[in-house]
Amino acid sequence: DAKTTQPPSMDCAEGRAANLPCNHSTISGNEYVYWYRQIHSQGPQYIIHGLKNNETNEMASLIITEDRKSSTLILPHATLRDTAVYYCIVRARNTGGFKTIFGAGTRLFVKA
Amino acid sequence: GAVVSQHPSRVICKSGTSVKIECRSLDFQATTMFWYRQFPKQSLMLMATSNEGSKATYEQGVEKDKFLINHASLTLSTLTVTSAHPEDSSFYICSARVGGASGELFFGEGSRLTVL
Repeated sequence: DAKTTQPPSMDCAEGRAANLPCNHSTISGNEYVYWYRQIHSQGPQYIIHGLKNNETNEMASLIITEDRKSSTLILPHATLRDTAVYYCIVRARNTGGFKTIFGAGTRLFVKA
Repeated sequence: GAVVSQHPSRVICKSGTSVKIECRSLDFQATTMFWYRQFPKQSLMLMATSNEGSKATYEQGVEKDKFLINHASLTLSTLTVTSAHPEDSSFYICSARVGGASGELFFGEGSRLTVL
């Protein structure tokens, strides 16, 4: 699986949009971009994934650059409960037994 | 989303004893489950891939005789930490894949093991 690079930490004001970047310059054509988050002392939570098009769901939006070498997770109106470690992962989807390897992630602090 | 449940959520044991952690997929069948461990302020580290009806595949550096994995049914995988020592104290997390090879991963709540 391709490696990803994320800033170690970010701050965001409550109610504002949180934009979390991720670089994945070695991504392969069949690899998807996945985002998970982990709130302290809990298991990771799936947020969103995409291949090349931008995606949006009830939790967040995912913007993937045209060359697919980077992406941004957007939490449109961050709340205090969004304080967590956010992990950007790239992996092939249609591979039996694929493994999800976690990097260091970005620790997002949402402040009142 | 799909629900993956772990039990127990917390366990404290004495050094030398064995501890079993269960991971269940509550509303779907999971042919493949994954076990991770996480030390404080660190990321998740994949330990092994658990396949229903066959032997688990362990990551490099993970002792298979130390961390016994059993995946006897499509809804249950167990991780047994044998002869636990204080250095085995960690947060253990399982995940299960929904919908086959192309499915999404959902994670359990985690189990915190403390070995005295």
